[in-house]
Amino acid sequence: LAKTTQPISMDSYEGQEVNITCSHNNIATNDYITWYQQFPSQGPRFIIQGYKTKVTNEVASLFIPADRKSSTLSLPRVSLSDTAVYYCLVGVDSLSGGSYIPTFGRGTSLIVHP
Amino acid sequence: ETGVTQTPRHLVMGMTNKKSLKCEQHLGHNAMYWYKQSAKKPLELMFVYSLEERVENNSVPSRFSPECPNSSHLFLHLHTLQPEDSALYLCASSPELASTDTQYFGPGTRLTVL
Repeated sequence: LAKTTQPISMDSYEGQEVNITCSHNNIATNDYITWYQQFPSQGPRFIIQGYKTKVTNEVASLFIPADRKSSTLSLPRVSLSDTAVYYCLVGVDSLSGGSYIPTFGRGTSLIVHP
Repeated sequence: ETGVTQTPRHLVMGMTNKKSLKCEQHLGHNAMYWYKQSAKKPLELMFVYSLEERVENNSVPSRFSPECPNSSHLFLHLHTLQPEDSALYLCASSPELASTDTQYFGPGTRLTVL
């Protein structure tokens, strides 16, 4: 059961704004949406999290429409160092019931060109 | 640094060997995770522990055996592995097992099974 759907890859150029959209049609009422960034051979690291509307921090913005069935990560003025895989994450219910289990999607590989 | 360490960073083992991966966190977190990431594949959640109790075993073969002796340490015991088990094994922790809690990842152990 797929929880999230993202584009497999995206290309951009330095200085451009990049928007990556994730679909999560079956998101639960109490679920937050979290985005992570992963460089090759490293563990993912947290970028941003939100529940609804818009969230902004020093590195990104997250837009979540009212129905919460999708979310868009916005990276302003990307640089070469933003080349990475970006994952959106929502939760699923544990098979044993009662526990939140984080589930990563397949991720979006972003390549930033000079 | 995220406060999550993993040892060893690299491991080469034969199919008949027994080895263990170690993860340690000093963040005071109560939830810990093992992930497997094969080449050019998404993160696969293997095991989840909350307050030292396993809450999820994601259909992982029995040749992988987790152990969580306390909230700061997590082990993954390996025996009679197959070459297809070669991958990056990532450990993560979070304050609790909750949608709002950020996961902090270790650097990973690069495992090669000959």
